[in-house]
Amino acid sequence: EAQVTQNPRYLITVTGKKLTVTCSQNMNHEYMSWYRQDPGLGLRQIYYSMNVEVTDKGDVPEGYKVSRKEKRNFPLILESPSPNQTSLYFCATTSTGSYNEQFFGPGTRLTVL
Amino acid sequence: ILNVEQSPQSLHVQEGDSTNFTCSFPSSNFYALHWYRWETAKSPEALFVMTLNGDEKKKGRISATLNTKEGYSYLYIKGSQPEDSATYLCASVNYGGSQGNLIFGKGTKLSVKP
Repeated sequence: EAQVTQNPRYLITVTGKKLTVTCSQNMNHEYMSWYRQDPGLGLRQIYYSMNVEVTDKGDVPEGYKVSRKEKRNFPLILESPSPNQTSLYFCATTSTGSYNEQFFGPGTRLTVL
Repeated sequence: ILNVEQSPQSLHVQEGDSTNFTCSFPSSNFYALHWYRWETAKSPEALFVMTLNGDEKKKGRISATLNTKEGYSYLYIKGSQPEDSATYLCASVNYGGSQGNLIFGKGTKLSVKP
């Protein structure tokens, strides 16, 4: 079954404690993205990656890092989380053969105290 | 700056009502327009991917139209059912942005009362 997985699904942490949200896909898509969703603001792209070792900033990259060492994995790293990073996070892959249709992971709800 | 606007922000209808909502997007350098359905506690899933001016797509009771010249798309739901309750997102893809970059609207939240 084609899917995008994220872990953890829920996380409560404290300010400054480094964390990583993992994302993995089995669809062999080159393009992957991270979004955050906040009430009233919609989905905003944090970072994206067009292929292995190729990453770039999206609309709201401050406070985040990513890496793409393998095609299937695209972890999101928060080196020093702050309360304004409390949000719902989605990883997604892009099907360039379907006019960039997005396939979303199940989401990670992060709370930073 | 590219902007995608959706209206209304939220909508409450009775079961059986038909409804529609709007997505407006930048018409210049248009590549594709996507509609996603996002149920609570789930992740967004694609409903339609539309590329041609005048295109109309249908999936069961849900249909969508596209006007790329004036930059708008309508989503219609005929005979709404409680299971249609969800947030409906549209997203525009335009040439000139990085491959795969979608600009999402803020969504229309639909609630269907039994």
